[in-house]
Amino acid sequence: NAGVTQTPKFRVLKTGQSMTLLCAQDMNHEYMYWYRQDPGMGLRLIHYSVGEGTTAKGEVPDGYNVSKKKKQNFLLGLESAAPSQTSVYFCASSTTGPVANYGYTFGSGTRLTVV
Amino acid sequence: RKEVEQDPGPFNVPEGATVAFNCTYSNSASQSFFWYRQDCRKEPKLLMSVYSSGNEDGRFTAQLNRASQYISLLIRDSKLSDSATYLCVVNRGSSYKLIFGSGTRLLVRP
Repeated sequence: NAGVTQTPKFRVLKTGQSMTLLCAQDMNHEYMYWYRQDPGMGLRLIHYSVGEGTTAKGEVPDGYNVSKKKKQNFLLGLESAAPSQTSVYFCASSTTGPVANYGYTFGSGTRLTVV
Repeated sequence: RKEVEQDPGPFNVPEGATVAFNCTYSNSASQSFFWYRQDCRKEPKLLMSVYSSGNEDGRFTAQLNRASQYISLLIRDSKLSDSATYLCVVNRGSSYKLIFGSGTRLLVRP
C-alpha cells in the first residue's frame, strides 16, 4: 500500500539545467497536486490536475510545466532551473468532488537545490 | 492578508501540559477545515478534520468558529512525540483546493 510515491528524493541541479519530478499514486484518486514548501511561506500550489490529461495553474506556476497522461502519474518539469526554485516539492492526491473530510495524501517530498 | 494565518511559535511546553493553537481564515465561503501535522523534513500528514460542532480524537480537540472565522486545536497531556509543526488547512471557498497555513511549531520538553 504505497500511497503517493515521489522520485527522486534529493537532487542538485546547476542553473539552467532541466529535470522532471515524478509522482505516482495507487489510491485511484482523481485529483493530484504539486506544491513547493519554503521556510516561513507554507505550502504553495504550483499546478494541479483534475483528471487524466487535464491540468491547471496554481499560485506559483512560472518556471514549471506539468504532464498527466495517466490517472496515477503526475510529472512536474523544470525546463531551465533557477536558484529561486530551490525548495522542497511535495506531490499530493485527493478524491473527486468536494474536499469534505478526507484532505490530501502527500508524498514524502523531493529536496531540490539549484546552484 | 494571508488566506490562512497562524502564529508561527514556537510553543515550548513541558510534558503533560495543555497547549492550544489558533488559526484564522479569510474566506467566509470555506467549508472544509483540517489540522495537519508535519515533522521536521517530512511530509504533512492529516491529523484531524474539523467539524462545525467541534470534534475530539483522543488528546486532541478541534473547534471551529465560523462567525469569527477561526479554528483551534487543543492538545491535552502533551507528549514528547507531539513535537512537530501543526498546519491549519482550509479549502478555498467552495472548491476542492486547500490552502495551507505556514504552521505553528510545538516543542514539548521533558
